Amino acid sequence: ILNVEQSPQSLHVQEGDSTNFTCSFPSSNFYALHWYRWETAKSPEALFVMTLNGDEKKKGRISATLNTKEGYSYLYIKGSQPEDSATYLCAFTKNAGNMLTFGGGTRLMVKP
Amino acid sequence: DAGVIQSPRHEVTEMGQEVTLRCKPISGHNSLFWYRQTMMRGLELLIYFNNNVPIDDSGMPEDRFSAKMPNASFSTLKIQPSEPRDSAVYFCASSLGGGPDTQYFGPGTRLTVL
Repeated sequence: ILNVEQSPQSLHVQEGDSTNFTCSFPSSNFYALHWYRWETAKSPEALFVMTLNGDEKKKGRISATLNTKEGYSYLYIKGSQPEDSATYLCAFTKNAGNMLTFGGGTRLMVKP
Repeated sequence: DAGVIQSPRHEVTEMGQEVTLRCKPISGHNSLFWYRQTMMRGLELLIYFNNNVPIDDSGMPEDRFSAKMPNASFSTLKIQPSEPRDSAVYFCASSLGGGPDTQYFGPGTRLTVL
């Protein structure tokens, strides 16, 4: 069983605050780490796929970093907006496969 | 591109009935995945296909669940007989199938078994 853990489980912030959350995953047999954004009543939407240790990806106000040696990734949101409210999922792939093992998600709520 | 298409979007059935969920992947994608989302277990992979062939079905909960992919543009997930504990949202996703691919999710089917 692969343990992909995310923290915190939920987070309430004020509009304009910057925030970050963590995904930890097994460091052995690493292949890729994915981040998804999942709004209520919609389907998960891909944000980033990262494969290299030290990778850093950015999309607008959202960025992510990857440390494959210690098995963690951070997702950062700068200047949170109410529309950023969603559950952020990370998923791990091992051994050059394409099966994703998802973490439990971090539910972000941004108050106006 | 229409994205991944799933039907029905909602299904309400009675315990013991057969349920069939359908999925059309994105054209040109070679891998297809079925997931189940519940409050208790989050998003878990049930089965995935590559080039229409089932590769890993270790997530299928029990013999009541079966999945097929008769061609590159269609897959079904069947539950027979259904039980109340099968109530969940079932997602289908597809990807190109090479490398660390992004998976594109369908809108999901919300299944309620009474």
